[in-house]
Amino acid sequence: DGGITQSPKYLFRKEGQNVTLSCEQNLNHDAMYWYRQDPGQGLRLIYYSQIVNDFQKGDIAEGYSVSREKKESFPLTVTSAQKNPTAFYLCASSIRGEENQPQHFGDGTRLSIL
Amino acid sequence: AQSVTQPDIHITVSEGASLELRCNYSYGATPYLFWYVQSPGQGLQLLLKYFSGDTLVQGIKGFEAEFKRSQSSFNLRKPSVHWSDAAEYFCAVGAGGYQKVTFGTGTKLQVIP
Repeated sequence: DGGITQSPKYLFRKEGQNVTLSCEQNLNHDAMYWYRQDPGQGLRLIYYSQIVNDFQKGDIAEGYSVSREKKESFPLTVTSAQKNPTAFYLCASSIRGEENQPQHFGDGTRLSIL
Repeated sequence: AQSVTQPDIHITVSEGASLELRCNYSYGATPYLFWYVQSPGQGLQLLLKYFSGDTLVQGIKGFEAEFKRSQSSFNLRKPSVHWSDAAEYFCAVGAGGYQKVTFGTGTKLQVIP
């Protein structure tokens, strides 16, 4: 079955450490997204990519970085510059189109600080 | 830029009762509207979408939503709630094209026996 795989499910970060969250999709979607979810704040867009080798900042990109070297993969790095990284991170993908296409989501990665 | 408001943070209904979750959006033109559901510790699943045409949209799991332009609303409804419907529900609005989709803050649904 096609879908989005996020790993790991739980991740712990030490002070000053960079960590990378994995997101892989086999849906053949061009567009991929990273969201941060905090209680009571809904989903906030970190980065998105409409095509390989191209990505744009979302609303809360500071302290995060991404790459899009392959269509299937869109890893997110939470850098030491992100001072409050504890959150639930969701990756999504969609086809491209003239209208906003529904997004398919992975099951998320919960990041905590040690 | 578009925005979306879900006025109810938490709603409790009895099993078998009807349900309506509110969603109000702000956008100058006809928006693209979505409802998603999230179970604890999981990702979001699309329930239904509205792009154009018939203002009453049918979705999965017996849900429906009605687009009301005059009220800038896209409320989600279900005639009879099941215990398995307990989850968090998110309304989302898009401006079309390659514009990003904006999500509401969610409404958590509790179902009591």
